[in-house]
Amino acid sequence: KAGVTQTPRYLIKTRGQQVTLSCSPISGHRSVSWYQQTPGQGLQFLFEYFSETQRNKGNFPGRFSGRQFSNSRSEMNVSTLELGDSALYLCASSRGGDFDEQYFGPGTRLTVT
Amino acid sequence: KQEVTQIPAALSVPEGENLVLNCSFTDSAIYNLQWFRQDPGKGLTSLLLIQSSQREQTSGRLNASLDKSSGRSTLYIAASQPGDSATYLCAVSTGANSKLTFGKGITLSVRP
Repeated sequence: KAGVTQTPRYLIKTRGQQVTLSCSPISGHRSVSWYQQTPGQGLQFLFEYFSETQRNKGNFPGRFSGRQFSNSRSEMNVSTLELGDSALYLCASSRGGDFDEQYFGPGTRLTVT
Repeated sequence: KQEVTQIPAALSVPEGENLVLNCSFTDSAIYNLQWFRQDPGKGLTSLLLIQSSQREQTSGRLNASLDKSSGRSTLYIAASQPGDSATYLCAVSTGANSKLTFGKGITLSVRP
C-alpha cells in the first residue's frame, strides 16, 4: 500500500509570489491535514479537509488556503509569499475518525528568497 | 489550549543504553497520543499510537506508556543503536477532526 506522497519535494520562490503544494493520501483515507514545520515554532497545524470540506483550521493568515478533490487529493496554496513562509510543509492522511492514526508524507521544503 | 512539552531538547547516549523519552501535555481530554520519528530533512514516521483508553503499546524495542490523568507519556527504547539517532516527537489529538498538537521534539544521538 503506497504511503502519503507530496509534490514537489523542493521549491524556491521569491517574495510576493504564490505557490501550490500537492498531497496524495493513502488509498481509502478521506482526511488530509497540513502542517508547517519551522525551527523556531516546530510543527503547527494549518488545516484539515475531509470529503472535500474544511473541518478544522489553525491560526494562520488567510494567505494560506487549501482544497480537497473528490479523490481525496489535497492542495495547499500560499499567496503573497513572505520570507517567514520558508518551512517544511507536511501533510498527513487518515481515515478521518477522531481516534485514527495519522500518516505523514515526506514534506515539501519551501524556500522564499 | 493544549500544550505539549518534551524535555530535554537533546540527548546523547552510548550505544546499548536503555533510555526513556518524556512527553507531557496540559489537557488530559485527549483522543490519542502518537510518537513519531523524524530524520533530518525528512517527514514523520509513526512509531506508536496509544488510544486514550490504553495504558501502553509496544513495537519491537519500543514501548510507549500513557498516564492521561497526570498528562504524561514516556517512550522507552531498549538497547539503543546508532540507527536510532533522530528526533522523536510526541503529538496528542485533543479536539475532534484529526488535529494534532506537537511537542518540539527530542533530538537523540546514539554514540557507537
